[in-house]
Amino acid sequence: GIQVEQSPPDLILQEGANSTLRCNFSDSVNNLQWFHQNPWGQLINLFYIPSGTKQNGRLSATTVATERYSLLYISSSQTTDSGVYFCAVVLFMDSNYQLIWGAGTKLIIKP
Amino acid sequence: DSGVTQTPKHLITATGQRVTLRCSPRSGDLSVYWYQQSLDQGLQFLIQYYNGEERAKGNILERFSAQQFPDLHSELNLSSLELGDSALYFCASSVFGSTDTQYFGPGTRLTVL
Repeated sequence: GIQVEQSPPDLILQEGANSTLRCNFSDSVNNLQWFHQNPWGQLINLFYIPSGTKQNGRLSATTVATERYSLLYISSSQTTDSGVYFCAVVLFMDSNYQLIWGAGTKLIIKP
Repeated sequence: DSGVTQTPKHLITATGQRVTLRCSPRSGDLSVYWYQQSLDQGLQFLIQYYNGEERAKGNILERFSAQQFPDLHSELNLSSLELGDSALYFCASSVFGSTDTQYFGPGTRLTVL
C-alpha cells in the first residue's frame, strides 16, 4: 500500500526561526491535508492542498503532486507552534477510500 | 473550539467490556469520521459516515462498530475490549466528504485495564 513518510521526525528550534517540514508519499493521491496537534492533543486542520501552494499567515504549504511530496513552511516560529504536524493523504479506491496518515514531525519551539 | 463535541472525555474500563463513544458534528456537517490514536500505531482512520450511511472503512476491527443517526450524531461501539485498545479516539466532521476540511473533536481517552 501507499507509504507516507514525514521528515524530520523531531525538530527543535528557537523562537523566531523558520522551518520546513516534508511529507513524501509513494503513490499518486487524491487529497493531501496538513494537521497540527497541539501539546494538549487538539487536532487542527491547517491546509487542504492536493496540489499547488497555499498560505495562511505565517504558515504556507506546497504540494508537488507529480513528484509526490508536500512541504509545510513555518516562518517566525512562536512557542504556540509547538506540537506534532501530520500530513494525511486520501486514495480513492472503487467505492471506498483510504485515509493514510504519516507518523508526524514533532516540533518544539524554545523561547 | 472546532464545534465538534465528544463524550465522554475519559473512560476507564476493564478487558472484555463494551463501551460507546459519542460524537456530535459541527452544525451543517454531513460527514463524521472516527480515528484511533495510539502510541504504537499512530493515527489510524477507522470509518466514515455520510448522512447516515457508511461511506468508507479503514482499519476498523470487527469488534468495533459505528453508526450515524438521523440527527447526524455518531456513536462508536467498542466491544470485547483488550489492553491494546487503550488509545485516544477522535471524531471529526466535514461538510461533505473526504476532500473537505475536517474539524476534530477533543477526543475520548480510553484506558482498558
